Order: sequence, then C-alpha cells, then structure tokens
Amino acid sequence: GAVVSQHPSRVICKSGTSVKIECRSLDFQATTMFWYRQFPKQSLMLMATSNEGSKATYEQGVEKDKFLINHASLTLSTLTVTSAHPEDSSFYICSARQPPGQGDGYTFGSGTRLTVV
Amino acid sequence: GDSVTQMEGPVTLSEEAFLTINCTYTATGYPSLFWYVQYPGEGLQLLLKATKADDKGSNKGFEATYRKETTSFHLEKGSVQVSDSAVYFCALSDNQGGKLIFGQGTELSVKP
Repeated sequence: GAVVSQHPSRVICKSGTSVKIECRSLDFQATTMFWYRQFPKQSLMLMATSNEGSKATYEQGVEKDKFLINHASLTLSTLTVTSAHPEDSSFYICSARQPPGQGDGYTFGSGTRLTVV
Repeated sequence: GDSVTQMEGPVTLSEEAFLTINCTYTATGYPSLFWYVQYPGEGLQLLLKATKADDKGSNKGFEATYRKETTSFHLEKGSVQVSDSAVYFCALSDNQGGKLIFGQGTELSVKP
C-alpha cells in the first residue's frame, strides 16, 4: 500500500532557530501534498497545499514567511518553520494524495512533534 | 464553506459494547467522506471511506453509510475492543482542490 515517510518524528529546537520537516511518498508520485498542524486534543488544521513545481497555497491566517513549503519533486515536500518560537510547538502532519488510477486516496505521515524551548 | 461536525468526546464504553459516533457535514456538490483513526502519538490511518450517496464503507468491523438526505456519515461498530481506543476523525474531500476537511475528532476509550 501507499506509504508516506515523515522525518523527524520528534525535534526540540531553540527559540529563534529554523527546523525543516520532510515528507516523502515512498512508492508513489504525489503531485499534491498537504501540511496540517494539530494542537493537543484538537483536530487537524490545514496549513497549506503543496503542489509539485509551483508555489504552495496557504490557508487563511497561516504565515507564508514563517512556514516555508517546498515541493521540489514528485516524492518530497518540506516544511521549514523559520525563527521558531514556543508558540510554534505543535504536532505537524503531512499527507500525500495518490494520483487518480492509483487509489486517489490520502496517505498520512506519522507526524512530527516539534518542541521549541 | 464546507465543514464537518462530530459528536463531542470523550466516549467511554465497556468492551463488547455498541459504538456510534455521529458525523454530519455541510458541502456544496458531492464530496467523498472518510473516517480516520489516530492512535496516541501517531499520524492518521484511513479506516473507511464512501464516495457517493448510499455507499457503505466498512473495515475491521466498523461501518458507515453515506446519507445524502441527512448529510450524515455516522460510524458504527457492533462490539468494540480495548484496542479500538483512539481518536476518530470524520472528514470530507471537497473534490475541487482535493484537500481534506476534518471534524474535531472524537476520543474513544474502551474499558475491559
């Protein structure tokens, strides 16, 4: 079945530094990937839609300059949290959409727990 | 805009009890509907889905029927197990940009 690998699973960083999270589709090509943020005991909030070879589409209220998304290939999207602050601490989850004809479903990564100290 | 509303949790049941988690949606057009499950500290796993009205999705004893007339997609299981303890999310895809829109999640706790 379709597999999405998200790395790292946990990261602790100092306030003011940047952190990069990777999301890879291992056995299919994903033209579209999604990045979500999840607060404790809450739902997933869509941050942005990442399309291979073009700029990401950000949801309202999400800072583009703070959450940089790059989707340079059909199997890799990255989320960089720039100048991280404690309020950015959260659980970040990526999702990749399988192409039509290959299930057209959504596969999720296992998430990244970011803690900014 | 499109939205999903789930019953609030936590839901606590004894093993072998019957489970229902309500989910209703608001959408233009004809969305696909999904149930995802999240175990502690993990990402989401697809539990079941339905792509058109009257479709029934089923998996691992769970099932849900796409009801267009009531805009609902309630999750049911006849006999829950302790291992079913998790957070369950109802979701729809808007069939335009393809993004998933999630309900707020319902935490299920099954006691032995």
